[in-house]
Amino acid sequence: KNQVEQSPQSLIILEGKNCTLQCNYTVSPFSNLRWYKQDTGRGPVSLTIMTFSENTKSNGRYTATLDADTKQSSLHITASQLSDSASYICVVREGGSQGNLIFGKGTKLSVKP
Amino acid sequence: SQTIHQWPATLVQPVGSPLSLECTVEGTSNPNLYWYRQAAGRGLQLLFYSVGIGQISSEVPQNLSASRPQDRQFILSSKKLLLSDSGFYLCAWSVLAGGTGLRFFGPGTRLTVL
Repeated sequence: KNQVEQSPQSLIILEGKNCTLQCNYTVSPFSNLRWYKQDTGRGPVSLTIMTFSENTKSNGRYTATLDADTKQSSLHITASQLSDSASYICVVREGGSQGNLIFGKGTKLSVKP
Repeated sequence: SQTIHQWPATLVQPVGSPLSLECTVEGTSNPNLYWYRQAAGRGLQLLFYSVGIGQISSEVPQNLSASRPQDRQFILSSKKLLLSDSGFYLCAWSVLAGGTGLRFFGPGTRLTVL
């Protein structure tokens, strides 16, 4: 069964610190992996997309990595800010004509002053 | 630029009452439209999607229904709400064909069924 597992479920860090969120998937065939940021009470917004051939991609203080062999991805946040407090959702798109999206449950990040 | 609207933002309804949530998209034509539900501690669950006016595909059997009366309007309905219908409902759109699976989500509606 195609699944996306994220860890940790929740995380509390101090402002200015770095953190790394994990995403493991069993989706096959694989098309791409996307990280979304969801502020509380809002809809998710795409941060970055990773395809099979990409290992690392940055978007400001956010850096995503992908290891297609081990089917793992990470999202690293550098020099965290209070505004980084949100849920981060990993979404894997199946390959093929359907291209179904498999959503992880998300990691809830709280950045404290 | 494209904008997606949802209303109401929050809703508290008694069990057995009807439901109507509305979603409209601006700035794009012929989008794919989606309804997702996000329950506490669970990932987003696709409920319905539509590739055109009057075309609705249901992903999960339930007491909810969807309609697309206009190209950029998507409505989620129920005749009788259940307690289990509580959750955060998100409307989203994407390009009609091809693409990378990117979804543009609306601000959501928080539904509480008492």
